[in-house]
Amino acid sequence: DVKVTQSSRYLVKRTGEKVFLECVQDMDHENMFWYRQDPGLGLRLIYFSYDVKMKEKGDIPEGYSVSREKKERFSLILESASTNQTSMYLCASSLFPGGTEAFFGQGTRLTVV
Amino acid sequence: AQKVTQAQTEISVVEKEDVTLDCVYETRDTTYYLFWYKQPPSGELVFLIRRNSFDEQNEISGRYSWNFQKSTSSFNFTITASQVVDSAVYFCALSGSGTSYGKLTFGQGTILTVHP
Repeated sequence: DVKVTQSSRYLVKRTGEKVFLECVQDMDHENMFWYRQDPGLGLRLIYFSYDVKMKEKGDIPEGYSVSREKKERFSLILESASTNQTSMYLCASSLFPGGTEAFFGQGTRLTVV
Repeated sequence: AQKVTQAQTEISVVEKEDVTLDCVYETRDTTYYLFWYKQPPSGELVFLIRRNSFDEQNEISGRYSWNFQKSTSSFNFTITASQVVDSAVYFCALSGSGTSYGKLTFGQGTILTVHP
């Protein structure tokens, strides 16, 4: 079974802190994604990466950055957390860019106070 | 740019009713892929189906069926004889090629509640 693991299920951080959300997949997938999920807004794509060291902005990249130094790991970074970044963050991976289905992690519920 | 719209925010039905979830998409790519996912109360998204842009055949899997129509840019999902276990948030998604290479875009989701 494909496994996508996010490092934390729940996080509470203070405004202005630098926050790292880690995601690891164990199936040698090329593509990885970070989404945030908010009620009524669905899943909004923050960043994605279709290869090591490659990254592409999604629809809402402002306030975030990412790092993909190894194929299996994709990190989301909040440089200076703000309260409007309180959300559920979902990591996903897919075998190839394009036509293959994505597998999701369990999500990280981030609260910024 | 690519976009997915699920106009129905919430649907409520009684068990055994049929229900259709609508999905409309926009893309400039000629090759693209459409997906449906289910998010049960436990939270983890579950893949249901994938369709590529060259295959307009409808698909049936048990009580689930999907109607893909390129002419109207729609990929609708029907649950026949709904059950309480079908209660979940359902998402439609689009993956393009070309300028949208690798990008997977989701709709806003439809909350389905099936009452006993």
